[in-house]
Amino acid sequence: SQTIHQWPATLVQPVGSPLSLECTVEGTSNPNLYWYRQAAGRGLQLLFYSVGIGQISSEVPQNLSASRPQDRQFILSSKKLLLSDSGFYLCAWSGDYQRAGELFFGEGSRLTVL
Amino acid sequence: GENVEQHPSTLSVQEGDSAVIKCTYSDSASNYFPWYKQELGKRPQLIIDIRSNVGEKKDQRIAVTLNKTAKHFSLHITETQPEDSAVYFCAASRDNTGKLIFGQGTTLQVKP
Repeated sequence: SQTIHQWPATLVQPVGSPLSLECTVEGTSNPNLYWYRQAAGRGLQLLFYSVGIGQISSEVPQNLSASRPQDRQFILSSKKLLLSDSGFYLCAWSGDYQRAGELFFGEGSRLTVL
Repeated sequence: GENVEQHPSTLSVQEGDSAVIKCTYSDSASNYFPWYKQELGKRPQLIIDIRSNVGEKKDQRIAVTLNKTAKHFSLHITETQPEDSAVYFCAASRDNTGKLIFGQGTTLQVKP
């Protein structure tokens, strides 16, 4: 069966510091991968999605970037964090065929920028 | 751009009562409508979904209805239990990918 993991689970970073969140998927090949952000008390907003290695699409302009160096690895990065980057970051993969569009989320990474 | 509005933002019911959460969407090309449940500090998990070729779907105590003409869909939970307490999100997408537009969420509290 498919599993998805992301880390770290929590981190507290100073403004201006770099960021790297990592996500890996197991049990499936060539998955569509996504990074969503959830601000406190809000819904989820799509940040990036990827349909394959090296293929990244950004949904909103921001201080973040994403990379997909391997088929089942998705990384969210920033060179210099802003206060507004605080939030709960969720990696996800989506099903296909009969389960097209279903999102399966990782455990989430809670980022606090001070 | 595309938008999904969700109401109410908070809902409190007595155990055993029914709960209804409503969403409207703006993109008439949307064809997939999932509902996610998120417990405090946890990841959202899919509880039920509906595609645009059906008007209603039921899974035990949970049902979803879709009105494409009016561009709204609803989640119905019957015989609510304390473990149903969580934040519920509706979402919509148009191209069978995981690119979902989420509603703002409804915090459901079921009182014993």
